[in-house]
Amino acid sequence: GAVVSQHPSRVICKSGTSVKIECRSLDFQATTMFWYRQFPKQSLMLMATSNEGSKATYEQGVEKDKFLINHASLTLSTLTVTSAHPEDSSFYICSAGVPVSETQYFGPGTRLLVL
Amino acid sequence: GDSVTQMEGPVTLSEEAFLTINCTYTATGYPSLFWYVQYPGEGLQLLLKATKADDKGSNKGFEATYRKETTSFHLEKGSVQVSDSAVYFCALEYGNKLVFGAGTILRVKS
Repeated sequence: GAVVSQHPSRVICKSGTSVKIECRSLDFQATTMFWYRQFPKQSLMLMATSNEGSKATYEQGVEKDKFLINHASLTLSTLTVTSAHPEDSSFYICSAGVPVSETQYFGPGTRLLVL
Repeated sequence: GDSVTQMEGPVTLSEEAFLTINCTYTATGYPSLFWYVQYPGEGLQLLLKATKADDKGSNKGFEATYRKETTSFHLEKGSVQVSDSAVYFCALEYGNKLVFGAGTILRVKS
């Protein structure tokens, strides 16, 4: 099946710094990628939908200036958490949509801890 | 808005026991319904899906039936194995977006 990778798998950073998370579709081209956030014991919450070559569409309540999303190629989308604060600590998961089948394939997630 | 509610875990079962994980949803219209599974250290994988009322999705011995009258999509398996230990997520799809339940941890003991 289709494989999606994320890098890094976990990251610890100081408050005020920026962190970039990469999401790659390894064996297929994804015109659409999705970014989710998961809090402990809670469901995945969609943050934004990223389309290759265009601006991301953010869900209500998600700060687009804080969570910068770039989808520059059909196999790579990045999420940058700018000026991270402890409340941004969470598990971030990406998924990539396969055209036509409309199936989403998920990455293994990135654990972010902001000190 | 649309939402999914699934039973809290963890659910702990002995090998070969019968499994049910309850899932109910609230939605306008008739969404597609999914069960995803997340094994330790891996990404979510689609387990099964149903796109309309009375459809039954099945895969790897797991089944779920789309019940419009009770707005439910309960996951069942007749005989679980230790390898089924994972987190199970119920989800609905509207407008190409997925809405997830909180996830249910399943632990199967040998």
